[in-house]
Amino acid sequence: DAMVIQNPRYQVTQFGKPVTLSCSQTLNHNVMYWYQQKSSQAPKLLFHYYDKDFNNEADTPDNFQSRRPNTSFCFLDIRSPGLGDAAMYLCATSPRWGGSDEQYFGPGTRLTVT
Amino acid sequence: SQQGEEDPQALSIQEGENATMNCSYKTSINNLQWYRQNSGRGLVHLILIRSNEREKHSGRLRVTLDTSKKSSSLLITASRAADTASYFCATDLGYGGSQGNLIFGKGTKLSVKP
Repeated sequence: DAMVIQNPRYQVTQFGKPVTLSCSQTLNHNVMYWYQQKSSQAPKLLFHYYDKDFNNEADTPDNFQSRRPNTSFCFLDIRSPGLGDAAMYLCATSPRWGGSDEQYFGPGTRLTVT
Repeated sequence: SQQGEEDPQALSIQEGENATMNCSYKTSINNLQWYRQNSGRGLVHLILIRSNEREKHSGRLRVTLDTSKKSSSLLITASRAADTASYFCATDLGYGGSQGNLIFGKGTKLSVKP
């Protein structure tokens, strides 16, 4: 089945220790998104890629970076995680950029910062 | 800034009853989408309704959109325990450079008791 896969599902890192979350898709979608979702809150868009074009949301901290080496894979790098970065990180894809397409979400990676 | 706001924040019903959730938004939109999120999982797309549509159905789901009131409702008929989840509305913006991005509300937490 075509899908969005996120690894790992649970990640524990130490305060200040860099961490990378990964996302892969078999849908061959052009657009990939990273969202941050804190407990009982709305998913918040961090950035998205349209093909190889990177688009950062204005209020995404510099501590968060992303890489998309090819169509299938996208990585979220948190350079120096703080306690406030503990959250669920959701990867999503869509065929085209624009709210007229549904987004396909992975199961998420829950990040704990100790 | 948050665009959509769901109401109520939490809803508890018995199996077989209908569940109605509402979403209000602030600015003009092109499309409005509803998503479901089971606890600790990713989001699953339910329905997309365009700004020129007033009502849409999908199985036991019925979505209405009133652009004059900037509001939408999601009705789940004959609810089941498996419908227990959080439900989010998401809107794009009808203007500006971020019109492709979805902005999620905080969600309604639905609990269906067997």
